[in-house]
Amino acid sequence: NAGVTQTPKFQVLKTGQSMTLQCAQDMNHEYMSWYRQDPGMGLRLIHYSVGAGITDQGEVPNGYNVSRSTTEDFPLRLLSAAPSQTSVYFCASSYSGEVYGYTFGSGTRLTVV
Amino acid sequence: GEDVEQSLFLSVREGDSSVINCTYTDSSSTYLYWYKQEPGAGLQLLTYIFSNMDMKQDQRLTVLLNKKDKHLSLRIADTQTGDSAIYFCAESGLTGGGNKLTFGTGTQLKVEL
Repeated sequence: NAGVTQTPKFQVLKTGQSMTLQCAQDMNHEYMSWYRQDPGMGLRLIHYSVGAGITDQGEVPNGYNVSRSTTEDFPLRLLSAAPSQTSVYFCASSYSGEVYGYTFGSGTRLTVV
Repeated sequence: GEDVEQSLFLSVREGDSSVINCTYTDSSSTYLYWYKQEPGAGLQLLTYIFSNMDMKQDQRLTVLLNKKDKHLSLRIADTQTGDSAIYFCAESGLTGGGNKLTFGTGTQLKVEL
C-alpha cells in the first residue's frame, strides 16, 4: 500500500545510546519532515527536507541528525539518547508541502531510560 | 514565533454537532489544516482551507475562517462515536514556508451515547 512507513514502531534505549529511526515513502513526494509529539504540546518540527540532498532544521533540532540521499528515504538519527527525547516520532511527506497537506506515518514510540 | 492554540477537550452527545476552535498568530498563514489522530495512529488530513476563503464544506465537515480575528473552526455535523479522536489545527505561512507546519496542541473529542 502506498504511504509513509516508519520503523520500528516501538523502541527502548538507554541514555547515551544512538539509533536511527527509519522513514520511507513510495509516493514520489519531494517534501519530508520529522515531528515529535509530546503530551499537551502538539507536534513540533525537528528537521525537514524539500528534496534529495537538501535538509534544514525545524523548531527542535538539537540532538538529532538527518540526511536525504534518495527521494524515498529520510532517516532520523539520535546521536546520544537522553530521557528528554522520550516521545512519539512522526515522519510525514507531501508532494507540494502546502496545497495537499502531509501524509503521516503511524509513528515510532521511543522511550529513553 | 508562530503560535496555534486550541482547547484541550470537548465532549458531545452522538448525533449533536461538534465545534472545535483554533486561534493562530501568524498573519501570513496561507493554508490552514485540520488533522485527525485516532489512538495509536498517525495524523490524517481531514480538510484544509486557503486563507482567502471564509468557509469550506466537505460532507459533514464545515470549516470557518475569520482571518481578521485569526480564528479557525471545524464543525462536525451529526457527530458519531467514530469521530472520537484528537483533532489538530495547523497552519503554514510565509514565515514557516510551505514545507513547515505549526500545529496546535490538539483537542480531544469524546462522543458519548
